[in-house]
Parts: sequence; C-alpha cells; structure tokens
Amino acid sequence: ETAVFQTPNYHVTQVGNEVSFNCKQTLGHDTMYWYKQDSKKLLKIMFSYNNKQLIVNETVPRRFSPQSSDKAHLNLRIKSVEPEDSAVYLCASSFQGAKQYFGPGTRLTVL
Amino acid sequence: GEQVEQLPSILRVQEGSSASINCSYEDSASNYFPWYKQEPGENPKLIIDIRSNMERKQIQELIVLLDKKAKRFSLHITDTQPGDSAMYFCAARNSGGSNYKLTFGKGTLLTVTP
Repeated sequence: ETAVFQTPNYHVTQVGNEVSFNCKQTLGHDTMYWYKQDSKKLLKIMFSYNNKQLIVNETVPRRFSPQSSDKAHLNLRIKSVEPEDSAVYLCASSFQGAKQYFGPGTRLTVL
Repeated sequence: GEQVEQLPSILRVQEGSSASINCSYEDSASNYFPWYKQEPGENPKLIIDIRSNMERKQIQELIVLLDKKAKRFSLHITDTQPGDSAMYFCAARNSGGSNYKLTFGKGTLLTVTP
C-alpha cells in the first residue's frame, strides 16, 4: 500500500535547467527525507526534515534545496542541473527515524 | 558521522540454502538497525528491523542478529527462494538529539539460483 507519493516518476531535462520534485506522505509521520540513489545503487541521504525543521543537511551542492510546507510534504528543487545529478531521488518518511518508508522514486536524466 | 560497512557486495546461493549478510557500524550510540530489500525498478522496502535492546529477531525466514559489543549485525535468510533475489541494504540509526538519520550500507546483491 503506497503511502509515500512522489511526482514525477521520470524527468528528462538538459544541463542548466531547474527541476522540482514533489513528495507527500499520508502516514502522519513527523520526519521526511530525500535520498539520492546512483547507478551503483548507493543510497545517500541528502536532507531530513522533522516537523518542518531541517535537521539533516548533508554535504550536497548548493543547487539542491529542500522545501517543506508542512509535515506531510517535502519537495526538492535542483537549480541548474548537472550531468552527475542523473539518479533516482527517493523520498521517505518515518516517525523519529524508525521504520522509514520510501516513495517510488523520481528518476532524473540530465542530457 | 556513522559509517556502515556491508559485506558481501555480491552473494549467490542455491535455492533452499541459507544466505547471510553482515554489517558493522562505528557509532556505539546507534540503537536501531533496519534491513531493506530492493527489487529491480522498485523502491527499498523495510523487511525486518532490530533495536539495541534485542540480540535476535525472527520474522518467518528472516533472522537478524545484533552484537552490540562487536558493533555488528547480520541478516540471515533461511530456505532461500528465487523471489528472495534482490538488493539488500542494512542501516544504522543514531538517535542522539533530534538526528533521525539512517546511514546505509552499500548493499548486497543476492541471487538465488534454482
């Protein structure tokens, strides 16, 4: 049963463009995350929000910025994409870090 | 920050045998250890987890063992089936303060052959 929703499923764009990905969870969780999964399947956390507050901000390029309007939504904006940004971006949610549930992912291809 | 090492990176077993994946962590404050299964084209799905107040947990054919002193934990899949073929990730959580971050291992690609 899907309870973490992501849009779009796929996005193809050119270098230098701006993209935005949306994530919504209906589980009533207090924490949401963005992960990047590269072609080698490595899962790297990028950002984490707890009750709309940024609590984890890993070393990612400044062109990446999370946006949280409320506990149930966490969007990701990439300003001026680069080829190395091609990856699957996974949103997840949890209650205090336990039992994280992942969304279906957004596959980004940068040409 | 926390580092999680996962081995092996590739594991191939015959149907009906057991498969074991081992992980180690560095931060003794880590207190929650989930395991995720990711099938091709799918998102990672939580299959079993263990907290630091336990040493062993079993759900059907999945067994997780935790050795806090050695800072190691492992997943054992007994009586493997072809449907168990997937990527498996271990992770560790340090809940110090309000840091609810999971640190993932690099994954193990399990193939179960008929």
